Amino acid sequence: GAVVSQHPSWVICKSGTSVKIECRSLDFQATTMFWYRQFPKQSLMLMATSNEGSKATYEQGVEKDKFLINHASLTLSTLTVTSAHPEDSSFYICSARIFQETQYFGPGTRLLVL
Amino acid sequence: DAKTTQPTSMDCAEGRAANLPCNHSTISGNEYVYWYRQIHSQGPQYIIHGLKNNETNEMASLIITEDRKSSTLILPHATLRDTAVYYCIVRLRVGDMRFGAGTRLTVKP
Repeated sequence: GAVVSQHPSWVICKSGTSVKIECRSLDFQATTMFWYRQFPKQSLMLMATSNEGSKATYEQGVEKDKFLINHASLTLSTLTVTSAHPEDSSFYICSARIFQETQYFGPGTRLLVL
Repeated sequence: DAKTTQPTSMDCAEGRAANLPCNHSTISGNEYVYWYRQIHSQGPQYIIHGLKNNETNEMASLIITEDRKSSTLILPHATLRDTAVYYCIVRLRVGDMRFGAGTRLTVKP
C-alpha cells in the first residue's frame, strides 16, 4: 500500500506555543488529505479535509483559527496547533488519498502540552 | 454515510481464523465497505474493501452478504500481531472515512 509519513512522531511543548505537524505522501500524489485527532481510549475523529491548493474544510466544533491547515502541494500538508493548551494534548493522525481511491494513514503524532 | 455496528470485543486463538462481523443495514447501493485496523499507538492500517463481491487479498477476506446489509472480515490464521482494534466503515467513493468504536480483537496464544 501507499506510504504516508508524519513528522514529528511526538512533541512536547509549553502552553501558549504553536506546534507544526507535517504529513507527507511518500510514493503518491494526494489530491485530498485529512487530519484526525484521537484521545485516549476513543476512536479517531475527523478534524478537517483539505484539497491541494484549496482552503481546508473543518468539521463542526473544530476551530479553524486554532488548527491551521496548509495543503501546499500534492505530497505535503501541515497542521499547526496555535497557542496550544493542555486540552489540545492528543494523538494527531493524517491521511491521504488520490481522487476517489483508498485512504492511507500516517503513523500519528503524539502531542503533549504542558 | 451509513452507520455500522460492530461487537465491542472478540477473542481468537492464535492460528485459528478470526471472523469479525459488521452490520450496515442502511447501506446505500453506491457505498463501499472498508476495513481498517489500528494497532496500539499507531495510525490505522488499510486492510480491504469491497462493494458487492467478496474480496480477498494477502491480509484478509471480506465476505459481503447478498443484501449488503452485513459483512464479515476474515483473518484466516490469526497471529498475536493481529491484536488490534478493527474498524468497519461504510463510505461513498468520494466520502470521508469516519470511524466508529470498532472491535477490539485479542489473539491469545
